[in-house]
Amino acid sequence: NAGVTQTPKFRVLKTGQSMTLLCAQDMNHEYMYWYRQDPGMGLRLIHYSVGEGTTAKGEVPDGYNVSRLKKQNFLLGLESAAPSQTSVYFCASSGPGTGVGRNTEAFFGQGTRLTVV
Amino acid sequence: KNQVEQSPQSLIILEGKNCTLQCNYTVSPFSNLRWYKQDTGRGPVSLTIMTFSENTKSNGRYTATLDADTKQSSLHITASQLSDSASYICVAPKVGGSNYKLTFGKGTLLTVNP
Repeated sequence: NAGVTQTPKFRVLKTGQSMTLLCAQDMNHEYMYWYRQDPGMGLRLIHYSVGEGTTAKGEVPDGYNVSRLKKQNFLLGLESAAPSQTSVYFCASSGPGTGVGRNTEAFFGQGTRLTVV
Repeated sequence: KNQVEQSPQSLIILEGKNCTLQCNYTVSPFSNLRWYKQDTGRGPVSLTIMTFSENTKSNGRYTATLDADTKQSSLHITASQLSDSASYICVAPKVGGSNYKLTFGKGTLLTVNP
């Protein structure tokens, strides 16, 4: 009963390095989301996907790219990491097929703590 | 502008006591309102989801109320336990086209002391 799984859980990057965060869900959800959470602030939406092969920008998309090649996976990429991207990243999924706004449950992963030095 | 405001920002209570957390929202059009609990270092977990027509909804010792006229919601915790120490986040999905995005408040940090 895995739910939403994020890898890795922790990572330290040097400025300018690249990396990919992986989110996997086993609930056959259509919608998937990437958020970041910074101290003193609520979760902010980076990118989201409403289905396999589709992605869209959220509130704070700059510096990130995403891909949803398979329904169960949602990848978040940092091409050239910056210290401002130091944060805790959460992935979430919801479904089936009707989205969060239609009263369907959203499930979150355990988070990835990223530090860019 | 953040469309969800929560109060208080933080709260400290003794184990066994009750408490009430507040959430004011301005999200429009309104779809539903959710309360999440987030333990330190972990992802948020849903406590309740309330639709426009629901005034009260309970989940164990957690009871959420919703006043759609005043756009206010509250989360009441009864007989608090140490494990209730967490951030409680009010969430109001923003309806936009066929996509639905969650607008998160900053949350209320609750500390339950023995």
